[in-house]
Amino acid sequence: QVQLVESGGGLVTPGGSLRLSCAASGFTFSDHYMAWIRQAPGKGLEWVSYISPDSSSLSYADSVKGRFAISRDNAKNSLYLEMNSLRVDDTALYYCARAGVQWLGAPYFDSWGHGVLVTVSS
Amino acid sequence: DIQMTQSPSTLSASVGDRVTLTCRSSQKIRSWLAWYQQKPGKAPKLLIYKTSTLESGVPSRFSGSGSGTEFTLTISSVQPDDFATYYCQEYNNYSTFGQGTKVEIK
Repeated sequence: QVQLVESGGGLVTPGGSLRLSCAASGFTFSDHYMAWIRQAPGKGLEWVSYISPDSSSLSYADSVKGRFAISRDNAKNSLYLEMNSLRVDDTALYYCARAGVQWLGAPYFDSWGHGVLVTVSS
Repeated sequence: DIQMTQSPSTLSASVGDRVTLTCRSSQKIRSWLAWYQQKPGKAPKLLIYKTSTLESGVPSRFSGSGSGTEFTLTISSVQPDDFATYYCQEYNNYSTFGQGTKVEIK
């Protein structure tokens, strides 16, 4: 079955950096768009970024554009999120998700990891 | 940007009730709408995509409908496992989630 396991979260001071990883298994990773979605404590869901199977197409939410970078290593079945210039409002649970297959402008998400907590605080 | 508005914010229901959750978009999104269920401390789970297509393994008591800017998720007979928060998501062009509807026990 599909498994997505995030790691790399933690406490970081404002302005700092963090790199999240997501290890995928149970499916052909290189066939799928992948994404990061976050959820601030007690709040709703916010899409952060997605990446195409061959890394040629990347997309970011306006709130993270220029600060975050998504990447993947298909040989390692892994997805990454490099987060720089972190702000207090980036504090959230960050989910790794697999994109579904029937979409046009942006993906929906058919499998999710359990999430990794990023806390930005001084 | 597209705004997604879910109503009500909270819905109280009894086991066996038929419940309908509504999601409205600020622009037409054709049929590019998904619904997710999230329980406390858990990741969201995809229920429905493309407005009405049930994800594999999701019970048939869940159904989706709508088009354009107004969409609904219906649970035909609420079961104890269904008490959770439900989110809609448009994926016509950007991927925007609604703020969620919490279905709680009456």
